[in-house]
Amino acid sequence: EADIYQTPRYLVIGTGKKITLECSQTMGHDKMYWYQQDPGMELHLIHYSYGVNSTEKGDLSSESTVSRIRTEHFPLTLESARPSHTSQYLCASKGRTNTGELFFGEGSRLTVL
Amino acid sequence: AQKVTQAQTEISVVEKEDVTLDCVYETRDTTYYLFWYKQPPSGELVFLIRRNSFDEQNEISGRYSWNFQKSTSSFNFTITASQVVDSAVYFCALSPGRSGGSNYKLTFGKGTLLTVNP
Repeated sequence: EADIYQTPRYLVIGTGKKITLECSQTMGHDKMYWYQQDPGMELHLIHYSYGVNSTEKGDLSSESTVSRIRTEHFPLTLESARPSHTSQYLCASKGRTNTGELFFGEGSRLTVL
Repeated sequence: AQKVTQAQTEISVVEKEDVTLDCVYETRDTTYYLFWYKQPPSGELVFLIRRNSFDEQNEISGRYSWNFQKSTSSFNFTITASQVVDSAVYFCALSPGRSGGSNYKLTFGKGTLLTVNP
């Protein structure tokens, strides 16, 4: 069973608010990822990190930012939320095993009014 | 550039029917990995299988089986004797096989919503 947690699960906020989506994993994984999932189901990589103080932009451009100050923590921040940011955000991590398996959290569903 | 196509947006079957979910991929990498994930209504993605591009053996795990055909760039997933609990969105995904750097950055297909009716 994966030990990766996301909070909040659901968030409804007004335009212009700053929000932070939390992601924590207790598996000591070096690699962590944020995926954005459209209402139509498709997932897109928006950020990833290969370790502390390492963050990179993913394939889909995003106005969000991330930080990786501790191995277990990979928060995503939107400085000024807009309705176009309404989506589900999925956090994932991967350890050093050779299976290629990403462990996913349950997601944070963000609605911006 | 990598691309994964799941042509079936939605499939509906009756319990105990067999069902095959199609996945076709495009990549210029000579080494790559293919994955299937399941997303139940609770939202998290559950890993089902990884296949290395060098390993074309088909695999069976209980009621699940996977058919990897490099010649047609396909990695299809079959559920035998489907059950209501199999209802979920299923994603096929692809990642480069290069070591370090960009490996395990998954490219996902759009998913197939499978509904198994009692």
